[in-house]
Amino acid sequence: AQSVAQPEDQVNVAEGNPLTVKCTYSVSGNPYLFWYVQYPNRGLQFLLKYITGDNLVKGSYGFEAEFNKSQTSFHLKKPSALVSDSALYFCAVRGYSNYQLIWGAGTKLIIKP
Amino acid sequence: DTAVSQTPKYLVTQMGNDKSIKCEQNLGHDTMYWYKQDSKKFLKIMFSYNNKELIINETVPNRFSPKSPDKAHLNLHINSLELGDSAVYFCASSPEIEDSLGETQYFGPGTRLLVL
Repeated sequence: AQSVAQPEDQVNVAEGNPLTVKCTYSVSGNPYLFWYVQYPNRGLQFLLKYITGDNLVKGSYGFEAEFNKSQTSFHLKKPSALVSDSALYFCAVRGYSNYQLIWGAGTKLIIKP
Repeated sequence: DTAVSQTPKYLVTQMGNDKSIKCEQNLGHDTMYWYKQDSKKFLKIMFSYNNKELIINETVPNRFSPKSPDKAHLNLHINSLELGDSAVYFCASSPEIEDSLGETQYFGPGTRLLVL
């Protein structure tokens, strides 16, 4: 069965420090991996995705994510956090031949000044 | 221009009532979705329509009925509302689903439903 795990409910980072939001997945075949962000009282916004090719994917707002097949992970990273990055982050995966996205439980990112 | 819009933004109603939430997308996408986000922010797919045809129908009570009059609209009708239906409901759309497993979904702003 396909699944996505975001092991941290919340991540706290000081402004200016690097941040990592973790995501691991289980899927048959090659995965299609996504990160979305949800700001308070807003809908989800697409950040980045991995389909194929370079394992390091760059996305919106300076975020990037690295696909690691051996560790079945797709962690979201940013070199220098901003207070405005504070939001809820969702990882999602779709397996080959399955149209349905499987969503993680979300990780609340708090960036402190 | 709003890509995916939902109405109403807020909906407060009594148990037992019937209500509808409307969704429209002006992106020319073929596929639309309804999600439910509960109080713990967990996101769950409810339905997906591709070109007005139902393709995903998760375990959702029969009280929930999606209707797609055309591919730009996907409305959600809820009968006999219950307290547990209180949540935020998101509509989303994406391009044609075939050969588009890597396509991005575009979300509406959400409808906050409170059942009293």
